[in-house]
Amino acid sequence: AQSVTQPDIHITVSEGASLELRCNYSYGATPYLFWYVQSPGQGLQLLLKYFSGDTLVQGIKGFEAEFKRSQSSFNLRKPSVHWSDAAEYFCAVGGVEGGTSYGKLTFGQGTILTVHP
Amino acid sequence: DGGITQSPKYLFRKEGQNVTLSCEQNLNHDAMYWYRQDPGQGLRLIYYSQIVNDFQKGDIAEGYSVSREKKESFPLTVTSAQKNPTAFYLCASSILTAAGRVKAFFGQGTRLTVV
Repeated sequence: AQSVTQPDIHITVSEGASLELRCNYSYGATPYLFWYVQSPGQGLQLLLKYFSGDTLVQGIKGFEAEFKRSQSSFNLRKPSVHWSDAAEYFCAVGGVEGGTSYGKLTFGQGTILTVHP
Repeated sequence: DGGITQSPKYLFRKEGQNVTLSCEQNLNHDAMYWYRQDPGQGLRLIYYSQIVNDFQKGDIAEGYSVSREKKESFPLTVTSAQKNPTAFYLCASSILTAAGRVKAFFGQGTRLTVV
């Protein structure tokens, strides 16, 4: 069964500091990996995704993530955090099952990011 | 613009009543999903549907029911059998592209409060 672990429930950083949010996954085949961001009371917005190829993927809002197969990790990074980055972040893993035209996603528990001025 | 519409945004119901949450998409996606979100627990899959007139239970299907009579619509009914229905509910849809990539989109969610 696929699973995702985000070890940090809550992270606090100062504005301008660097950020790394951790994500570890378990998946039987080659995974598709995603990072989503959610503001309070809102739906999820896709930050970036990895399917294959270059293991360092660039996303929106200056975020990037690195896929490390040996460590089963897909950590999210940003060199300099802005106050508007405060939100909850979700890592998700998915794949194609049986060649069907869909992909079922399994989500981590989420990491709440607080940004101090 | 294509997207997923969930309605209403906020819903209040008395304990013991069934309530139906709406989810409509005009993305022509085959697959649709319902997730439940509780604080500190991330998103948990309730039901999903790959094609019209077919759906499967997710991880926490007890107390919920769905239908998929049209490709565009995947309503979720929270029944009186659901012991703790107060939560934020998210609908999603996805498609497998010709390149073999998965594209998933989410609605803005419905916050259900049972009093």
